[in-house]
Amino acid sequence: ETGVTQTPRHLVMGMTNKKSLKCEQHLGHNAMYWYKQSAKKPLELMFVYNFKEQTENNSVPSRFSPECPNSSHLFLHLHTLQPEDSALYLCASSQSFDRVRAYEQYFGPGTRLTVT
Amino acid sequence: DQQVKQNSPSLSVQEGRISILNCDYTNSMFDYFLWYKKYPAEGPTFLISISSIKDKNEDGRFTVFLNKSAKHLSLHIVPSQPGDSAVYFCAASHRNTGKLIFGQGTTLQVKP
Repeated sequence: ETGVTQTPRHLVMGMTNKKSLKCEQHLGHNAMYWYKQSAKKPLELMFVYNFKEQTENNSVPSRFSPECPNSSHLFLHLHTLQPEDSALYLCASSQSFDRVRAYEQYFGPGTRLTVT
Repeated sequence: DQQVKQNSPSLSVQEGRISILNCDYTNSMFDYFLWYKKYPAEGPTFLISISSIKDKNEDGRFTVFLNKSAKHLSLHIVPSQPGDSAVYFCAASHRNTGKLIFGQGTTLQVKP
């Protein structure tokens, strides 16, 4: 138990559906992250929020829309996805996000997304 | 262009022996390195880290070694236990961005 929870754990959606992934952290952290892990590939950073402000968008397509209403919650809204978007989506949090030093990140269990 | 590489997809070790997991990087601007462990159906969990100003960091059975001239780091687990069986990821942080770049992972199997 890392203190970061994600729901749902598994999601199957069609290309025309709209769904949302939810992440919650109970660690008192101020930074939250979305990562994508495709089969046989390294984790890819998608978005970073620091003190509720988006500080990084790693050239992610607009069909992925993040939302961070407060420092404890992070959402990833999905719409008109493609089959190649099928992957494990991981949420993480850290004490803060700073460009001059790295903080250890704590990960949730992930949401296994399948787009049909 | 993969900046952090774990060239061994898998490693099998006998219980009680040493496990050595390797990681190579290409960017000399990385200044902080981390190892994560991942069990199936769980997210990665932080294991140990090392700053570029050090060449060794030890925590119990886990030791990370950093060779900056070779741009290489390794994780030693001694003695290995069956519960160590998992996927191990190394990650590096760029000194100007703070973002973590992950390797593709090495699956460790420790046999009883």
